[in-house]
Amino acid sequence: DTAVSQTPKYLVTQMGNDKSIKCEQNLGHDTMYWYKQDSKKFLKIMFSYNNKELIINETVPNRFSPKSPDKAHLNLHINSLELGDSAVYFCASSQGPTSSYEQYFGPGTRLTVT
Amino acid sequence: QKEVEQNSGPLSVPEGAIASLNCTYSDRVSQSFFWYRQYSGKSPELIMSIYSNGDKEDGRFTAQLNKASQYVSLLIRDSQPSDSATYLCAVRGLTGGGNKLTFGTGTQLKVEL
Repeated sequence: DTAVSQTPKYLVTQMGNDKSIKCEQNLGHDTMYWYKQDSKKFLKIMFSYNNKELIINETVPNRFSPKSPDKAHLNLHINSLELGDSAVYFCASSQGPTSSYEQYFGPGTRLTVT
Repeated sequence: QKEVEQNSGPLSVPEGAIASLNCTYSDRVSQSFFWYRQYSGKSPELIMSIYSNGDKEDGRFTAQLNKASQYVSLLIRDSQPSDSATYLCAVRGLTGGGNKLTFGTGTQLKVEL
């Protein structure tokens, strides 16, 4: 009965490749997020979707493109991977987009670019 | 000035003691405040949320919020070795339609036998 799931859990790839990470939530939540946690453990939001609509788009390279086919799924595609993209990427979801809704995180995808 | 600041630690406390974790934030209009626990190699896990000034207790955990001082803290009573983790303070303001959660860099807590 996993609430927020991500695939793959680990991803090792070479510079220049294109890769995708998938996220699914079965909580019935309307809002989903992508976060990046760097090697210093700093967790920073990248994108947020509410009912398939992009509502947060932080300053990230346009090599990163999120897509939400429905409100239970949020994918992240990364083009032309760079060494600096190595990090753990977390998907999260919340019931709604406004201030009091708590966010629940997936298990993370550890991306290593060589 | 960072938006959300925490002492990175490590904060070492003996088993059974009270651990006190602190967090300050810069956005005066912040609305909601959260504490997440993250074990090494795992995802952040929500342990407390607080929305109004004062104290909120849940088992061994107490969150304290002082909006005038822009300060939020987490107290862990009767600390156990299983409490050893990194504790992330998160603040939600009004940017992004009230949707954006800003995290501190976390405080590493070590509970020693």
